[in-house]
Amino acid sequence: QKEVEQNSGPLSVPEGAIASLNCTYSDRVSQSFFWYRQYSGKSPELIMSIYSNGDKEDGRFTAQLNKASQYVSLLIRDSQPSDSATYLCAVGPYTGGFKTIFGAGTRLFVKA
Amino acid sequence: ETGVTQTPRHLVMGMTNKKSLKCEQHLGHNAMYWYKQSAKKPLELMFVYSLEERVENNSVPSRFSPECPNSSHLFLHLHTLQPEDSALYLCASSQDSQPDTQYFGPGTRLTVL
Repeated sequence: QKEVEQNSGPLSVPEGAIASLNCTYSDRVSQSFFWYRQYSGKSPELIMSIYSNGDKEDGRFTAQLNKASQYVSLLIRDSQPSDSATYLCAVGPYTGGFKTIFGAGTRLFVKA
Repeated sequence: ETGVTQTPRHLVMGMTNKKSLKCEQHLGHNAMYWYKQSAKKPLELMFVYSLEERVENNSVPSRFSPECPNSSHLFLHLHTLQPEDSALYLCASSQDSQPDTQYFGPGTRLTVL
């Protein structure tokens, strides 16, 4: 079983719609969860972090975490063509550890 | 551009060559990382240095040799690589082990012929 699993996509949504990106992870003791955005040919950029069950909102982005189901998601409201990128889910280590595990990413296309 | 720089940005090398990748961070962080990113595969952690001491070595073949002379600089020395080593090599830095402070450099696109 992959440690962090994402649908590779591509996920295609029209401009202005809500894009929903999902991620599951296998290690129940994981403590921290992250979403990175990676534009083609560029390096990953952290856009959201979440540590507790529930929702965390930052502008048009909402991260949702359900530790019981080992599931984390990212919602992008009012999607824009500039949101077209690959979104990487990452699961952080236990406190003091350095090993963040990344998923392979979901490609998102927002159609104008 | 981030506070993490990498050189060269592109590298083509033969299997018998020896080359080095360089990373420099200007963020005052004390941990540095090497990752490998291959097409359609997850980012793979290769090495982590914390306070110039290697704290993670993720079963990486010995043809990859890291070096961290100080907390601002990280090198990846390459020798006798294989074509399957062709990938994007990303450097990152963070403050301690806090992953939400992890910043990536622009990467080196490596092609092994």
